[in-house]
Parts: sequence; C-alpha cells; structure tokens
Amino acid sequence: GESVGLHLPTLSVQEGDNSIINCAYSNSASDYFIWYKQESGKGPQFIIDIRSNMDKRQGQRVTVLLNKTVKHLSLQIAATQPGDSAVYFCAEDRGGTGRRALTFGSGTRLQVQP
Amino acid sequence: ETGVTQTPRHLVMGMTNKKSLKCEQHLGHNAMYWYKQSAKKPLELMFVYSLEERVENNSVPSRFSPECPNSSHLFLHLHTLQPEDSALYLCASSQGGLASAYNEQFFGPGTRLTVL
Repeated sequence: GESVGLHLPTLSVQEGDNSIINCAYSNSASDYFIWYKQESGKGPQFIIDIRSNMDKRQGQRVTVLLNKTVKHLSLQIAATQPGDSAVYFCAEDRGGTGRRALTFGSGTRLQVQP
Repeated sequence: ETGVTQTPRHLVMGMTNKKSLKCEQHLGHNAMYWYKQSAKKPLELMFVYSLEERVENNSVPSRFSPECPNSSHLFLHLHTLQPEDSALYLCASSQGGLASAYNEQFFGPGTRLTVL
C-alpha cells in the first residue's frame, strides 16, 4: 500500500523522540481535516481528525494542530515507536454545500530508528 | 470480516484483458469511493457512489467502469487498460454521502494492479 517510487519527504526520528509532520492545505473554505497513516501493504488508516472551529485536538499519543491563518496542519506523535513507521497523509474536506469530498496531500514518510 | 475488504489483492493483466475489482464494506455506510494511488501522484479520487447512485466521476477514462449494485458492494470493471494504469486501487466507504460534513472515510487494503 505504500507510495513506492513517489519522492516523498521523509522524516527520520529516533525511537522515543517526538515527531512532527506538517501539511499545507490549499482551500481556505475547507472545514474538516483528517490525518491518515498508511503502512506498507495496507490502505490508509484514520488517525485523528479536526474541525475548522478548533485549533487543537488530542488523541492517544497524537495531537493535531490547525492554523487557519496560514492554512497549515500538523500532526505530533509523542514517544515515537517503530510501529509508527509509515506514510502519513493529511486530507481536507473542501467544504461548502452540495458535493463535498476529501483532497489528499502527497504524504510524508516517517522512519523510526531503533 | 469487518471494515472494508477488497479482492483481489494483486492483479496482473494484459492490455486486452477484462477484469473486475471488488470492494465490500461491512460498516453499514451509505457512500463508497474508488481511488487510484500511483507512484508519482497523491491519492486521486475516481468515482463516488452515494446511496448506490454515482455522484462523482472525476474525468476517468471509459476503460474504467464502476458498478454499485447495493450499498455494501462496489466494483470497478477494467478493459483495454494501459501500462500507465498500473497502480494501487483503493476502495473507501463513509457513513454520509458527499453532502455530509465531517465525513471520515474508511479504506480497504487496496488492489495492486499491474498492466503489462
């Protein structure tokens, strides 16, 4: 399931460190954002979401921050583990009435060094 | 099985073959999606079905033909494909359709397609 061959930005961290993955989105009208994790051989898996009326949302070991002023989204992973190694995608819901759909970023590859 | 399943997981076909990809969701969702994930592009939305009605067709070539016989099943029929169609084809489902806000999509594992 990995984006083999895609020249993804790669973040390499040591096990136990915190990771920060960034995403810039394009549509100021987007009102819903999701982070997905895609491990090798698998489809994207939901991690955490955030609505545009929030700046921060926390899950288990993960935090998403939303800065609407600069259209920036980040995913923070605390105490990164080898199992966190994957490609991470942000997705934005373009919002509006009628047809809504998710638009995905190109992804960031996270490599966790033991 | 739970979640979203896809078969086959791997498929190799010639350009003159006809094949079908199958997706099944066990989540009681109302909308289903086909995405293409190729080596050099982000996830590309191909088709969306909401309540078994096609509501999105993102300028996909006619050699790809979707079918949604009921809200749990989605097919992608393939014929006379090109080598550049080789990619991972992902199916997803969501509770609401395209008019629903905050619409998390659940993905299947994908079918790795190789066109020779």
